[in-house]
Amino acid sequence: GDSVTQMEGPVTLSEEAFLTINCTYTATGYPSLFWYVQYPGEGLQLLLKATKADDKGSNKGFEATYRKETTSFHLEKGSVQVSDSAVYFCALLKTSYDKVIFGPGTSLSVIP
Amino acid sequence: EPEVTQTPSHQVTQMGQEVILRCVPISNHLYFYWYRQILGQKVEFLVSFYNNEISEKSEIFDDQFSVERPDGSNFTLKIRSTKLEDSAMYFCASNLGGNQPQHFGDGTRLSIL
Repeated sequence: GDSVTQMEGPVTLSEEAFLTINCTYTATGYPSLFWYVQYPGEGLQLLLKATKADDKGSNKGFEATYRKETTSFHLEKGSVQVSDSAVYFCALLKTSYDKVIFGPGTSLSVIP
Repeated sequence: EPEVTQTPSHQVTQMGQEVILRCVPISNHLYFYWYRQILGQKVEFLVSFYNNEISEKSEIFDDQFSVERPDGSNFTLKIRSTKLEDSAMYFCASNLGGNQPQHFGDGTRLSIL
């Protein structure tokens, strides 16, 4: 069945470091891909999205490119801040069914 | 920006009791969802709802669960007889359908004693 795999962490980085969180997916057809972020004690917020191959989603300095050839959607940020500390979820959605399939989440801690 | 709102933020209930979790989806959205996240685990799909009926449900969503849209704004999840393993964060979501992003509420933390 369809699934999402991502590095589980926890990931600890110093402020201003470069961030990569790997995400790969398994799905038939052409899913839409998303990154959601969950700050401590809060709900799931949509961070960015990409709906077709080679699309690049971006928001708040984060970027991810939909790579169909490698079935990947890696999240990157050039310079992380303490306020980026959160759990990041890679996810996919297909129009043939309604549900979002989430990866296990990657916990990120950014230290000053 | 419109958002999905959920109440209560935290619900504590005795095992065997009924609980109703409430959600107000974004007003022009057509599709509504419930997910749950057991502490430290993956976010799991429970049910989707469209045009006043369930369109899909997972194996988790057994006969103890039900959903309802009693009026034009609320969307509820009822657990008829709660079990300890129902303790989790429950998220409501909504979207316009298709491949549009689902927007999530802040969740209700359900604790079963």
